[in-house]
Amino acid sequence: DSGVTQTPKHLITATGQRVTLRCSPRSGDLSVYWYQQSLDQGLQFLIQYYNGEERAKGNILERFSAQQFPDLHSELNLSSLELGDSALYFCASSRGQGAGYEQYFGPGTRLTVT
Amino acid sequence: GIQVEQSPPDLILQEGANSTLRCNFSDSVNNLQWFHQNPWGQLINLFYIPSGTKQNGRLSATTVATERYSLLYISSSQTTDSGVYFCAATSVDAGNMLTFGGGTRLMVKP
Repeated sequence: DSGVTQTPKHLITATGQRVTLRCSPRSGDLSVYWYQQSLDQGLQFLIQYYNGEERAKGNILERFSAQQFPDLHSELNLSSLELGDSALYFCASSRGQGAGYEQYFGPGTRLTVT
Repeated sequence: GIQVEQSPPDLILQEGANSTLRCNFSDSVNNLQWFHQNPWGQLINLFYIPSGTKQNGRLSATTVATERYSLLYISSSQTTDSGVYFCAATSVDAGNMLTFGGGTRLMVKP
């Protein structure tokens, strides 16, 4: 158990809908990262927050947004869902924001868009 | 951005055999991690190893940063070692976002 929690574990929804994925980092970690794992794209970095502020953006679609709250939990919002958004979404956390900090991954949320 | 390549893509072993997985990266790194993704999809941290050598039980890893590669050694493999092994790295000018390799899918047969 990495100490990173994600809910829900599974999510099935229809095209066009909106969903929210939730992540709680390990105790004491200030950085949260979101990654997407799909069959065709592999594991890709989406976005990073540190202590409530956005720090880095990767290949995140405009239909996706995220935030980190004062209690450090984070939410990833996916809207206008398409079939291609079906994937495993991971949250990770680390102590600091820069390089040199090991990232620990949550169990993931498996999203299926039908 | 940094490119991370892993080899071999697939590996089938008999229980008890040893193996070496390789990870090549295209740029200087300040973070390199090895993960095991189990059949349930969980990503389990194996090593944080931007340089040097580490050992944990039957697993060990070596990163030669100057030559831009890392190796993961699995000795006396067990069926529970099956799954996908990922290497991920962060280049020195790219914050702490991990770039993942394509993975090595390992199957250990009894």
